[in-house]
Amino acid sequence: QSVLTQPPSVSGAPGQRVTISCTGSSSNIGAGYDVHWYQQIPGTTPKLLIYGNSDRPSGVPGRVSGSKSGTSASLAITGLQAEDEADYYCQSYDSRLSGVVFGGGTKLTVL
Amino acid sequence: QVQLQQWGAGLLKPSETLSLTCAVYGGSFSGYFWSWIRQPPGKGLEWIGKIDHSGNTNYNPSLKRRFTISVDVSKNQFSLKLTSVTAADTAVFYCARGIPVSGTNNYFDSWGQGTLLTASS
Repeated sequence: QSVLTQPPSVSGAPGQRVTISCTGSSSNIGAGYDVHWYQQIPGTTPKLLIYGNSDRPSGVPGRVSGSKSGTSASLAITGLQAEDEADYYCQSYDSRLSGVVFGGGTKLTVL
Repeated sequence: QVQLQQWGAGLLKPSETLSLTCAVYGGSFSGYFWSWIRQPPGKGLEWIGKIDHSGNTNYNPSLKRRFTISVDVSKNQFSLKLTSVTAADTAVFYCARGIPVSGTNNYFDSWGQGTLLTASS
């Protein structure tokens, strides 16, 4: 059972917009700790997609965005492409556990 | 551009000790957190712990204290030891660089290539 809760799977057709939620609690996201997102194509190393809730590292396209509100955060991908098919993980910090926590991951399928 | 390269034996027998090392190339060692993260086959990411250049460590309290993280600043390397491995420890282990944000929170911008630990008799 992950400290941060993500839906196991989401899907969308090419060109559509999808969102992935990440729900935490008052000891992590709700306490004001930043949320970060990673993309992992099966068989490869995780790649940083969003840091600091909504900032994109260089090279990540503008159709990828992140937001945070209350005890939750969201990752949005617009103009869905076949190459977006991957697993996505949210990550934050938990003050009760005094450590980094990850969500359980969401598998994005492009129909 | 920083690169992390990790190595260590991946096939062990139950009760043996896993030893992994991660070398950091092309970047400063100080000012960052250096973490180990594992991923069981078909499952999600789990943070094991981190160390800084001064040797200060933090571990995931949910894990039994079989993990030890150490650092060799002179070589720009950090290491992970896991004692008494069992089949339940089978996972890909990654080293990663953590960029600090607000205290001990961090995000991971660079990752090692991963090492698959298989514990089997």
